[in-house]
Amino acid sequence: AQTVTQSQPEMSVQEAETVTLSCTYDTSESDYYLFWYKQPPSRQMILVIRQEAYKQQNATENRFSVNFQKAAKSFSLKISDSQLGDAAMYFCAYSLPRGGSEKLVFGKGTKLTVNP
Amino acid sequence: GAVVSQHPSWVICKSGTSVKIECRSLDFQATTMFWYRQFPKQSLMLMATSNEGSKATYEQGVEKDKFLINHASLTLSTLTVTSAHPEDSSFYICSPGGGRFTDTQYFGPGTRLTVL
Repeated sequence: AQTVTQSQPEMSVQEAETVTLSCTYDTSESDYYLFWYKQPPSRQMILVIRQEAYKQQNATENRFSVNFQKAAKSFSLKISDSQLGDAAMYFCAYSLPRGGSEKLVFGKGTKLTVNP
Repeated sequence: GAVVSQHPSWVICKSGTSVKIECRSLDFQATTMFWYRQFPKQSLMLMATSNEGSKATYEQGVEKDKFLINHASLTLSTLTVTSAHPEDSSFYICSPGGGRFTDTQYFGPGTRLTVL
């Protein structure tokens, strides 16, 4: 069975600085999707970034980028120029291909605090 | 991303009553519907997956007779918590999938259920 592990229950960062959230996963599949979702206090799940395993290039979305290491089964999220609005729970998730129609397996989450 | 609504956003009920939660995908036809449950300070746990017009598939440990899922149309799915008890108090989140969003799941805003 696929598993996702987030080893950092909590992280903090100073406003305008950079922080990296860690995620590792276990799967025997060669093709899959990886996601980072953000859950602010409103509890609305918001997609931050998506990575297809067959793509070697790391995904980026503005201030958010990932370091995808397929062999190591590692998928970390880097947030640059941190803003107060980035404070939230961040969940790493895995799915088989066709991630819109396949169930997501979530990590336990990392609570990010942004200090002014 | 997809526009998803849930109703109600918050419900309080007495033990033994049934509660229905509606999930609507407002801008696309969802061939698949995922229902998740999230306890305080925990991650999302998949409860069941349904495909339009067919019976839902429940995850291990989830009582299908207690959590009734109906996915009668491509834009509406309902979750009914029957004979609710205090231990059913949780945050319930739907996630329509498929359709034109084949690669990514988007989430409803969630429903907070409190059973007294």
